[in-house]
Amino acid sequence: SQLAEENPWALSVHEGESVTVNCSYKTSITALQWYRQKSGEGPAQLILIRSNEREKRNGRLRATLDTSSQSSSLSITATRCEDTAVYFCATDGGGRALIFGTGTTVSVSP
Amino acid sequence: AQTIHQWPVAEIKAVGSPLSLGCTIKGKSSPNLYWYWQATGGTLQQLFYSITVGQVESVVQLNLSASRPKDDQFILSTEKLLLSHSGFYLCAWSLRDRDEQYFGPGTRLTVL
Repeated sequence: SQLAEENPWALSVHEGESVTVNCSYKTSITALQWYRQKSGEGPAQLILIRSNEREKRNGRLRATLDTSSQSSSLSITATRCEDTAVYFCATDGGGRALIFGTGTTVSVSP
Repeated sequence: AQTIHQWPVAEIKAVGSPLSLGCTIKGKSSPNLYWYWQATGGTLQQLFYSITVGQVESVVQLNLSASRPKDDQFILSTEKLLLSHSGFYLCAWSLRDRDEQYFGPGTRLTVL
């Protein structure tokens, strides 16, 4: 089974709406990262939230982390068409390897 | 500014043929380097990482090997490709362990 998993599998919203992607993980971590990957490109990091942080913001993005339930969420407000991408959470699992989740496909339409 | 370049952009290769993919990072000294593999529509699987020249650690065995011949260069290779090697190969770098990773544009590999 996956060590990190996002849900839902896919989301569709209209521009201007908000969207939230959830992540559950199975290992102890020092930090959790959120990445966005647009079609045909490499991923780009959005937010890094450390295990002693509960919330982190970056512009229209807000990430939360709950280490007791081993879960995280990424919210995007005022979505734009260019936010269309696959969103991954990634954990360090305490080691050097970065473990990516299965990804949530977010589609933003005009 | 740091730049990361991967070559080739895409490859179509025959089963059993050799493969060499390259990655170069400019503008950053002694970065950690990583290779990832991504099946179409799938998650990213870390394959190798390197924290210094000449040292490479394997994360997952996929009949591939990696080398770091220079501080700014990371090579992924195999002598015999399998159908299962098809996918998107991504190189990434970071300053330190568990830091943000910066990904290259990737190489699309199709094995026939």
